[in-house]
Amino acid sequence: DAKTTQPPSMDCAEGRAANLPCNHSTISGNEYVYWYRQIHSQGPQYIIHGLKNNETNEMASLIITEDRKSSTLILPHATLRDTAVYYCIVRVARNNDMRFGAGTRLTVKP
Amino acid sequence: DTEVTQTPKHLVMGMTNKKSLKCEQHMGHRAMYWYKQKAKKPPELMFVYSYEKLSINESVPSRFSPECPNSSLLNLHLHALQPEDSALYLCASSRGLGSNEKLFFGSGTQLSVL
Repeated sequence: DAKTTQPPSMDCAEGRAANLPCNHSTISGNEYVYWYRQIHSQGPQYIIHGLKNNETNEMASLIITEDRKSSTLILPHATLRDTAVYYCIVRVARNNDMRFGAGTRLTVKP
Repeated sequence: DTEVTQTPKHLVMGMTNKKSLKCEQHMGHRAMYWYKQKAKKPPELMFVYSYEKLSINESVPSRFSPECPNSSLLNLHLHALQPEDSALYLCASSRGLGSNEKLFFGSGTQLSVL
């Protein structure tokens, strides 16, 4: 199963873009990259997902490298409410499950 | 309705008690999941149901017994738990079985075992 590697913590200034990296060098061709975030003791919140192409929605952008071995989640204008643990997950195609790694704790500072 | 509803939000139980956690969704999703999350750790997958049948059991002890009585409802029956089972229990659902199907999570049940 493809595993992900993320920095344990990052800081970002309020109003600036937050760029969260993720390595998934063992990803297979039909496995999607997902990003979720979790604010203290709440359920994980879906942010975005993608396969090969870059994706954008109202919350964030997802940039996936051409070889698909890494990706970056971009929050374009971080606010204090974006402070959370961000999880990068590779969804295994055959098992229909979703397994979380350790995640990145993002702290947005005023 | 894009919600996954979990009840109760908080539960305190003794080691000899029997209790159940409930999860409900009305999005027509056919896959449902239970996760366990200890403090300051990521969620850990426990069970996956697909079309009301148990698809994945991550070697969870038998004191946790899942049940999927219909496509909208998922239960987790608890019996003879240990204090180390205290955790946030999260339920999730997804529309289908493919890797392109995102999961929707409930807000969880915070369980304390005394």
